[in-house]
Amino acid sequence: QSALTQPASVSGSPGQSITISCTGTSSDVGGYNYVSWYQQHPAKAPKLIIYEVNNRPSGVSNRFSGSKSGNTASLTISGLQAEDEADYYCNSYSNNNTWVFGGGTKMTVL
Amino acid sequence: QVQLQESGPGLVKPSQTLSLTCTVSGGSVTSVGYYWSWIRQHPGKGLEWIGYIYNTGSTFYSPSLKSRVSISVDTSKNQFSLKLNSVTAADTAVYYCSRLRSFGTWSFDYWGQGTLVTVSS
Repeated sequence: QSALTQPASVSGSPGQSITISCTGTSSDVGGYNYVSWYQQHPAKAPKLIIYEVNNRPSGVSNRFSGSKSGNTASLTISGLQAEDEADYYCNSYSNNNTWVFGGGTKMTVL
Repeated sequence: QVQLQESGPGLVKPSQTLSLTCTVSGGSVTSVGYYWSWIRQHPGKGLEWIGYIYNTGSTFYSPSLKSRVSISVDTSKNQFSLKLNSVTAADTAVYYCSRLRSFGTWSFDYWGQGTLVTVSS
């Protein structure tokens, strides 16, 4: 069970859009629509922002959206704001009742 | 509003057993459709799923930790616990308890604040 692959870092200017990819295999991302995304600010617990590929929990900005194609899921943040600067993690169900996280992406607002 | 709070020693000696408890408020560990989970984060690193327990007592663990980990639940106290034995410095991490929600909304929706456990003599 290997961690899902995310870019180490991405950046964008205020108002722009960025996309973070999350690549797995047919045993996890590609096999199930149970991909979720988490935002983590420094020294804070992760916060759920997307569940089951493209659903937002109540209270999460509609600037966050998710998608999936094959073995790769993606998180898009549109209209970047300073408060979006954080680490982002993807997560997926994997075979045999296990779950796997991505390595995390540090998102910087320039 | 569900709240989770981790508690336990912040320092554990190598080869000993790490023991943490998560107290749940605003919800019940016996509720159907929720899996009570442990996740850790090594300093400066990513998240690692450790395992979870369901209200039936069924447990599922990460293959990489399965031989050393045990998760249990105390319904009378509305708590669930983690035990990790034979720890080494590589087990130094922030440990989070979390609720995994099912019912068509699979995700870790509530998290504790996390507790740092350092393995050192």
